[in-house]
Amino acid sequence: QSVVTQPPSASGTPGQRVTISCSGSSPNIGRNTVSWYQHLPGRTPKLLISNDSQRPSGVPDRFSGSKSGTSASLAISGLQSEDEADYYCAVWDDSLGSRLFGGGTKLTVL
Amino acid sequence: EVQLVESGGGLVRPGGSLRLSCSASGFSFSSYSMNWVRQAPGKGLEWVSSTNGGGTSLFHAESVRGRFTISRDNARNSLFLQMDSLRAEDTAVYYCAKEIADGGFDYWGQGTLVTVSS
Repeated sequence: QSVVTQPPSASGTPGQRVTISCSGSSPNIGRNTVSWYQHLPGRTPKLLISNDSQRPSGVPDRFSGSKSGTSASLAISGLQSEDEADYYCAVWDDSLGSRLFGGGTKLTVL
Repeated sequence: EVQLVESGGGLVRPGGSLRLSCSASGFSFSSYSMNWVRQAPGKGLEWVSSTNGGGTSLFHAESVRGRFTISRDNARNSLFLQMDSLRAEDTAVYYCAKEIADGGFDYWGQGTLVTVSS
């Protein structure tokens, strides 16, 4: 079980807004920045959000990130069928001296 | 254009060794930390190792510590992962990834498959 916890699944209908949570603790999310990745089957993981809330160029503004205390969230608005993928949060853990990925959340667009 | 190309994967017996390589181009390789991340079949992403731009700071996940060693050759724009004492649970696609200053991994290679089986 990952030290950084995500719900295993999430779902929404086209056009809806969905939120994926990432729960950690003081040595990781409480002290360091969170990044988010989209991973489509058979594709390379894609950076969606870094530094808690910054979108790299080319990432649609439908994707947004936030953090409060020891939890972070990824929000996807205007859900589209092509958003169906696995989503991961990642953060450095000062106590473990390791980067941690959350267990991943499988997003289904109904 | 940034490109990361992994190589060196394959089938190896438990207890064996393998050396993965990642050839980088399109950016100033020595200026960036680099990482290895893996994904076992049916599982999520797992960070494996990282090294800073100069190759002087090395970090490894607890699951591979003492068995895997990350290194880099900045003259050849290459990243390596020496994997020893391999176990069945090391079976995975291994990706190399470029790390930006705020800790995000902005470019990933296509991955190389490592299968540990007798």
